[in-house]
Amino acid sequence: AQRVTQPEKLLSVFKGAPVELKCNYSYSGSPELFWYVQYSRQRLQLLLRHISRESIKGFTADLNKGETSFHLKKPFAQEEDSAMYYCALRSGGGSNYKLTFGKGTLLTVNP
Amino acid sequence: NAGVMQNPRHLVRRRGQEARLRCSPMKGHSHVYWYRQLPEEGLKFMVYLQKENIIDESGMPKERFSAEFPKEGPSILRIQQVVRGDSAAYFCASSPQGRENIQYFGAGTRLSVL
Repeated sequence: AQRVTQPEKLLSVFKGAPVELKCNYSYSGSPELFWYVQYSRQRLQLLLRHISRESIKGFTADLNKGETSFHLKKPFAQEEDSAMYYCALRSGGGSNYKLTFGKGTLLTVNP
Repeated sequence: NAGVMQNPRHLVRRRGQEARLRCSPMKGHSHVYWYRQLPEEGLKFMVYLQKENIIDESGMPKERFSAEFPKEGPSILRIQQVVRGDSAAYFCASSPQGRENIQYFGAGTRLSVL
C-alpha cells in the first residue's frame, strides 16, 4: 500500500535561513509526487510537481527514487513562507489522480 | 472563475441525522475528488467521480456514505445516520479533462456531529 511520511510535524526557522521539509514515500509503482501548501485562512493549493522540475516561490524538490524521498527545499526562507505543507503521492492509474497525503508540516519562519 | 465552491462551510448535525455536502467544481472541470481530514491527520482520499460516473470509491466507508456527480448541478457527498466519528473536514477538488494532474481544492466543509 502507498504511504507518505512527513516526519516533522513542526519546523521553525529564522528568516534568511535554509529550510528543508522532509517527505518519504512508499509505493510499488512509478511515483508521481506533489507538494501542496495551505497558507493561513486559505485553501490548499498546488506548490509544485516533480515531473515539471520547476522552482516555485524559490522552492525546489527533487525526487530521489533510491531514498524514496521528495524533500522540499528553499535556500533562504521568507516570513511569507509560513504555512502548512503537505507532500502527496499519486496512487491512481490512467486519468485517476487520487492522492495520498502526508500528515503535513507546519513551517514557521521567524523574523 | 470562482474556484471550487463547497457549501456549507460548517455543518452541525446530531447523531443519526443526515449530512449533505455540496461541491461545485471549477467551470469546465469534469473530474471531482472528495477527501476527508481527521484532526491531526493528512487528507485521505474517499471517492473520484466524473460526470454521472463513480470511477473510484475505494476510500469510501462501506456503509452510510455515498457520492454523486450528476450531469447538472454540484457533486454531493451524503452521509446517512451520522456518528461522532464522522466529524472531520471534507474537501473537494476538481480538475479539467486533459490536466487531471492539477487538482484545485475547495475551502472544505467542517462537519461536527453532536
